[in-house]
This record gives sequence, structure tokens and C-alpha cells, in this order.
Amino acid sequence: EAGVTQFPSHSVIEKGQTVTLRCDPISGHDNLYWYRRVMGKEIKFLLHFVKESKQDESGMPNNRFLAERTGGTYSTLKVQPAELEDSGVYFCASSLLAGASTDTQYFGPGTRLTVL
Amino acid sequence: AQKITQTQPGMFVQEKEAVTLDCTYDTSDPSYGLFWYKQPSSGEMIFLIYQGSYDQQNATEGRYSLNFQKARKSANLVISASQLGDSAMYFCAMREPPGMDSSYKLIFGSGTRLLVRP
Repeated sequence: EAGVTQFPSHSVIEKGQTVTLRCDPISGHDNLYWYRRVMGKEIKFLLHFVKESKQDESGMPNNRFLAERTGGTYSTLKVQPAELEDSGVYFCASSLLAGASTDTQYFGPGTRLTVL
Repeated sequence: AQKITQTQPGMFVQEKEAVTLDCTYDTSDPSYGLFWYKQPSSGEMIFLIYQGSYDQQNATEGRYSLNFQKARKSANLVISASQLGDSAMYFCAMREPPGMDSSYKLIFGSGTRLLVRP
């Protein structure tokens, strides 16, 4: 069974440009999460989808970030326009049963974003 | 506010020896879950082990075990018989039941970089 996949693995863009990150969760996982780790800091939650609905987007830093999950399958995270402080590693995770006490989030390999 | 603390930014261990990575947490909720993830140099986050707050026994998964001390709010990861492939970043994380925001998000510590010496 395929794990969580993310594309691209690396992205280097200039300040002011737009970048779109993609995440394909494990098949059958209704729950999809985005996290990011900026240099030297902890991994921080961005948002949580249940199927195509945003369950919690309290971690989204500002309105330059837009996440979508049309059809409840893959998700995209768009940053527009990108700023220098957006550089970091963006992780996607998926889980099967968010309400179960033992529910585990499985992470993708991450997308390393560098904004110059 | 909930918080995870990993006080060891880096650690060394000799191959074949055991090592303990520290994790303390802070929460006021009686129901929570604790997780450990491994991040090798390739970048992916690999789930290692889970401990529920109501679990009576310490979790074990192969060479990984979790030393859960609820009263002290600690959830240390013990790796037995270290291997060279264990060299990686290790993150402790906590999940609480959803509150007003209905979120099952994980709260992460800052990580511990483990280097296994041959």
C-alpha cells in the first residue's frame, strides 16, 4: 500500500511568486493534515481536512496560504505571494479515524520550500 | 497551554548500546496520546510508537519502548541495541481530544538528533 506522497520534493522560488504543493494521502484516509517546520523551530500544525471539509485551519499563518481538497482525495497548499519567512519544510499527514484514541497520523516525505 | 519539551538537542550512542531520548509534556486534559516519530536524513517522518494516557502498560514496538511516567508527565523513548541506521532526528508529539476547534492536531517537541557511533 502506498504511503503519503508529496510533490514536489523541493521548490525554489523568488519572493512574490506563487507555489503550489500537492499531497496525496493514503488511500481511504479521510483525514488530511498539513504541517510545516521553518528553520530551527518546531513542526507546527497548519490545518486539518476531513474529506473535503476544513475541520480546523487555526494554524494557517495568514491569507497568503490557501489549502484545498476537492473531492476529498488529494490536497493542494498554495502560497501566494511567497515571502522569505515561508521557507521551510511542509509536511502532509493522513489518518484513518481521527476520533479514535489510537489513530495515527502517517506523514509524507515533505516538500522543502526555499523562497529567495 | 499544551507543550512538548525535548531537552536534548543532540545525543551520541555507541552501536549496540541502549539510549533514552527524553520527552516531557504539559496538558490539563486527562485524555491524550503520545507519539514518537523518526526523521532520517532523507526527510520523511516515520511513525515509531504510540502511548495512550489510559494505557496501563508501557508501549513497545520491536527495539523501541516508551517509558511512560504519567505522574511526572514524561514519555521517554528507549531504543535498545542501537544500530547505525538509528541515526536520525527523533520527535515526540502529543495529541489531545479536540476542543472547540475540533482539531486532532499534533503538538511537536523540538526534536533530538541521535548519532550512533560504530
